[in-house]
Order: sequence, then C-alpha cells, then structure tokens
Amino acid sequence: QLQLQESGPGLVKPSETLSLTCTVSGASISSSNFYWGCIRQPPGKGLEWIGSISYSGYTYYNPSLKSRVAISVDTSKNQFSLKLTSVTAADTAVYYCARMAVYWFFDLWGRGTLVAVSS
Amino acid sequence: QSALTQSRSVSGSPGQSVTISCTGTSSDVGDYNYVSWYQQHPGKAPKLMIYDVSKRPSGVPDRFSGSKSGNTASLTISGLQGEDEADYYCCSYAGSYSLVVFGGGTKLTVL
Repeated sequence: QLQLQESGPGLVKPSETLSLTCTVSGASISSSNFYWGCIRQPPGKGLEWIGSISYSGYTYYNPSLKSRVAISVDTSKNQFSLKLTSVTAADTAVYYCARMAVYWFFDLWGRGTLVAVSS
Repeated sequence: QSALTQSRSVSGSPGQSVTISCTGTSSDVGDYNYVSWYQQHPGKAPKLMIYDVSKRPSGVPDRFSGSKSGNTASLTISGLQGEDEADYYCCSYAGSYSLVVFGGGTKLTVL
C-alpha cells in the first residue's frame, strides 16, 4: 500500500530556507503515470498548490511561489524534496506531499507536517 | 483570495442532500474537465472524493457526485450522514500558466 511521509524541521527562522522531504513507500516513485506534488495549508485557511515533479525531474510550479521554490527528486531513495527560500511568517503552514495523477488531481496524500516560521 | 470561489459554509440534516458550488472562470473550470473535490476532516489530510468533474475513486460512496455547468462545478452529497461533516475543497487545472488552483473551501455542517 503506497504511503507518503513528510519530514521537515518544524521551525524555520525568517529569511532562511525551508526544506521538506517526502518519502514514498510501498511503490516506486519512478512511474510515468504520476507526478509528485507539494501542497500547503496555513493554519485555519485553505489549500495552496506549491508545485509538482515527475520522476524524471520535470517540474511545474505555482507562479506566485516560483521565484522561491525548487522541487527535486531522488529516485534511488524514492524521495522528492521541497526547498522554499526567503521564508516569512506567511509561509507558516502544514505542508503536504501528494501523488498527482497526470490529469491534475491528487489521489494520495501524506499526513502533513507543520512548519512554523519564527525567530 | 483563492482562485476558485466557494461558499464559506453549508448545512443539512441527516438524510438530506446538499450541493457545494465552486465558481471559476473560462480559463480554469470552464475550459477543462479536470475538476476534483477533496474532503478534509479536522486535523487530517485531504481525501480525494471526485476527479475529472464526476468520477469517483474506488471506495468513495456513490452518495457523492460531481457535475459542471459553464464556469461552475458542483459537488452533491445525498443521504447526508454525520461523518460527512467536514471541509470540502474544489480544485481545477488552470492552463499552462497557473496550472493548479484550489477553492477556498466550504464547511459542511450536518445538523
């Protein structure tokens, strides 16, 4: 049974870089039928798509975050990773990893991890 | 402000039907049949309920149905049950620039 697990620092200082790793278990990340995505949800607010990546490294990013986001994939570890630079308090959120089908829907989600931005 | 507009809340009694709407534009909902819906209980991850406007993943009860007319997509839940009380989010493909947009979410209360 495929599962996704997020791992992150929990607390990041303003202006620093947020790093999140998503580990896929139960199936190979190297499937051409799926992309792998990152979505976030500020406390008490709605969902925001951050970006997605294919197993071969092709990326799509939310235009509003594109200048600060990088998503990479490591097929040898069955992982993909998010880096968000120059963070502010507005980046405080629960960050989710999800599997994205080729027709732009997210069919499997990780449990999410809360990342707070504070000094 | 979210790209897709949803009503903040909706309510219904057990056994009744409710419809949650999601209004976009001709650049997203109106132009593509790639609308999906997610259910989120407090403190939990979202769960896919509908994809490609009206398709249900395996395991989702047929009480949940989706449709689209013009720039507005809808999720209808019939035979409301207490466990349906949750937040619901719509999502759409929005073309090669914006790509993926979500609605602001609708809180469903089962009275």
